[in-house]
Amino acid sequence: KNQVEQSPQSLIILEGKNCTLQCNYTVSPFSNLRWYKQDTGRGPVSLTIMTFSENTKSNGRYTATLDADTKQSSLHITASQLSDSASYICVVSSYGNNRLAFGKGNQVVVIP
Amino acid sequence: GAGVSQSPRYKVTKRGQDVALRCDPISGHVSLYWYRQALGQGPEFLTYFNYEAQQDKSGLPNDRFSAERPEGSISTLTIQRTEQRDSAMYRCASSLAQGASNEKLFFGSGTQLSVL
Repeated sequence: KNQVEQSPQSLIILEGKNCTLQCNYTVSPFSNLRWYKQDTGRGPVSLTIMTFSENTKSNGRYTATLDADTKQSSLHITASQLSDSASYICVVSSYGNNRLAFGKGNQVVVIP
Repeated sequence: GAGVSQSPRYKVTKRGQDVALRCDPISGHVSLYWYRQALGQGPEFLTYFNYEAQQDKSGLPNDRFSAERPEGSISTLTIQRTEQRDSAMYRCASSLAQGASNEKLFFGSGTQLSVL
């Protein structure tokens, strides 16, 4: 069973609308959680990194939240733009060995 | 170079052949990670190094896969006796600090491996 589960698998949203992506994990002990944006055919680009003590972090129109107690994170995209069309990948690192557990990604398509 | 460099960009090989994939991390970066991504799938962690030491190789699928980073810089991922199921995008990433608890990971463009 994958240690990082993301939902929804894919979604289509209208330009200008907001959306929220979910990431649930079972990785333990927890070190940090990262959200990446991956455009088609490109490598992932870091959006946010959160450690245990952080419960929200913003990067422009992207806001990530973390609840380490329930092992859940969300990525909120505000006022979506066409360039937000991408796969958003949640990556969780375990404390001590830094092994990375990847989610399968949320595929977001923004339409005009 | 300015970023993580991987070569070759594309590799097509016949089943049964060995392949070697190269990753040149950002200069000075301590940690180096390998992962692969099959078409339509999420990334799958393979292994990672701090300096030249391989810290975790439990993600390597089987003993046909091996990786090394002999001088703590460039890393090579070797796949012996390739099989069609090995076809995927193989990416590496590096980070400046050991442990990477709050460090950005920088990803390479990947090597697209196709095994015929």
